Order: sequence, then structure tokens, then C-alpha cells
Amino acid sequence: QQPVQSPQAVILREGEDAVINCSSSKALYSVHWYRQKHGEAPVFLMILLKGGEQKGHDKISASFNEKKQQSSLYLTASQLSYSGTYFCGTEVSWTGFQKLVFGTGTRLLVSP
Amino acid sequence: DVKVTQSSRYLVKRTGEKVFLECVQDMDHENMFWYRQDPGLGLRLIYFSYDVKMKEKGDIPEGYSVSREKKERFSLILESASTNQTSMYLCASSSPKTSGSTDTQYFGPGTRLTVL
Repeated sequence: QQPVQSPQAVILREGEDAVINCSSSKALYSVHWYRQKHGEAPVFLMILLKGGEQKGHDKISASFNEKKQQSSLYLTASQLSYSGTYFCGTEVSWTGFQKLVFGTGTRLLVSP
Repeated sequence: DVKVTQSSRYLVKRTGEKVFLECVQDMDHENMFWYRQDPGLGLRLIYFSYDVKMKEKGDIPEGYSVSREKKERFSLILESASTNQTSMYLCASSSPKTSGSTDTQYFGPGTRLTVL
């Protein structure tokens, strides 16, 4: 089953914060976050592993709540370059195949 | 840098034609994947391969087949294209070596296929 992402879309002004959630009906081994800009390939942001710590990259960070089977992506002081569609990809166990199931995406638009 | 390339950015075919989409990666990755991306549905896995000549069905394999004769190349084949296969097709590769690896998938630029 696909993980559920919320919200489906969000519009921000530059400098505002946003949270994107990714919820699964199954226990998760890992959550991968990607951003895809219009007309481009998805680009990897970060991966969170079961039992791992919260990750961060610049002003984008993420957490993984294993009990809730949920991951959240935090965008702080958003920049115009943050605009795009954000996808979470989930694994329920490590197989070596890295067979991810992706959510339907969250469209983020940051305006000046 | 990892590079994943796809043979065409845009492709227009007619219903019933046989269509080949090619993907090549240059990082010696074991795993390769084909996804289709449709508005509101996200990325859905069609097939993946974890070694030469090995393939596994993904979530939506119907109407598709794949071929992996060389490690760096993974082909998606539409035996008889239909209009409902009009979509964006993305190839990806990865090589997670052990449990706990923080490696991930690297995507190609995509092929936008239109079937008329």
C-alpha cells in the first residue's frame, strides 16, 4: 500500500515554515525523501532508518516516528528553491533490493 | 557523480506499436528500476532488476516487460502500446550493500511517452 502524504499541496511565502507528513499502514524499516522540480528527475534529500536519529540538511530536516509509522519533513525558513513536489518512499524491511513504495507527493510552492 | 541516462526525453507512438525505453547507469549499480509517474498517483514501480538477467515484478507490471542483458542497461518494453500507457517513465538505480546503508536510488531524467 502506498504511504499517505499530507498535505497534498501547500503554498508558502519565502521565509515561512512547512511540515510534510508521510504515514504508512505498515511498520517501516526506512523512509526516503525526494524532491522533484518541474520537468526534472527526483533528487534525493535524506533517508531515515529504523532506530536512527533525526536527520537534517541545511534548513530541511526530517524525523521518523516508528510507533506511529510516520515520517515528517520539516522545511524551515523556506526559500524559492524549495518549490517542487516532495515524495516519501518507504521500505518495510531490508531486502537488498531497496524496493521503495512512494507516496503520491506533496506540491510545495514558495512565493516571494 | 552517479549518472542515469534515458534514451529519449519525449516519445510519440501509435497504438499497437512495440516500444523500447532504454536506461543506462554508469555507477556499477546492481539494482535498477522502472517507474511510471502520473498526476495524483505518484511514482509506481513497474519492474525492477537486482542482477543481470534477473527481474522482479513491481506493483503495476501488466502490459510491460523488461530486459537486462548487461549490468549497466535496463530496458522497458511495451509489447503493444495502448493509450493508457501514456505517461512519464522514470528509470532509477541503486546499490545498497548492507542493511543500514544510507544509499538510495538515483533517477534518470524521464521519458514522456505519448501513445496516440
